[in-house]
Amino acid sequence: EVQLVESGGGLVKPGGSLRLSCAGSGFTFSNAWMNWVRQAPGKGLEWVARIKSEPDGGAVDYAAPVKGRFSISRDDSKNTVYLQMNSLKTEDTAVFYCTTGWYLDFWGRGTLVTVSS
Amino acid sequence: EIVLTQSPGTLSLSPGERATLSCRASQSLSSYLAWYQQKPGQAPRLLVSGASNRATGIPDRFSGSGSGTDFTLTISRLEPEDFAVYYCQHYGSSPLTFGGGTKVEIK
Repeated sequence: EVQLVESGGGLVKPGGSLRLSCAGSGFTFSNAWMNWVRQAPGKGLEWVARIKSEPDGGAVDYAAPVKGRFSISRDDSKNTVYLQMNSLKTEDTAVFYCTTGWYLDFWGRGTLVTVSS
Repeated sequence: EIVLTQSPGTLSLSPGERATLSCRASQSLSSYLAWYQQKPGQAPRLLVSGASNRATGIPDRFSGSGSGTDFTLTISRLEPEDFAVYYCQHYGSSPLTFGGGTKVEIK
């Protein structure tokens, strides 16, 4: 059974930093493309970032609102993908989901990030 | 960036009725379109990829169709557990984008 477990969310002040983690199991993590998707309270879904598998080149992509502030990385030895978030803004407040694949076939339960003074 | 427009915003139907949800893209997607279902307090769930391929375990009352810029998700007979928000999403190029969602509510 595929499992994705996010961690690292919490309350942070504007301008602060946070690192999210997502541990995967039940699939061959090293072959999987991994994504982060977020959902602001009461709003729709927004794709944030993607990292391809190392066999597929390991390229990263970002949504425009987070480019230059967020960084996605992976550690295949730990079956974990990370999202380093810097220069956080109040509009980054959201539930952040970790998802697998080219299309987003499996999702974690999400971790809440609140940016507020 | 590809913009996806979903309609209607809200669909009010009764159990047993047919639901037809639309997703229109600002440029051709070929068939690189997926549909997701989200219930309150839960993560989204993949229903359809490749515009028409049901994901594993998804009941056959859900069907996707379309190509290019116009896509449809049809729920043939609504079950009580189908009342939720549905999103379309393209994945053929970066950035990936989602539609704004259609809420299917009980009439």
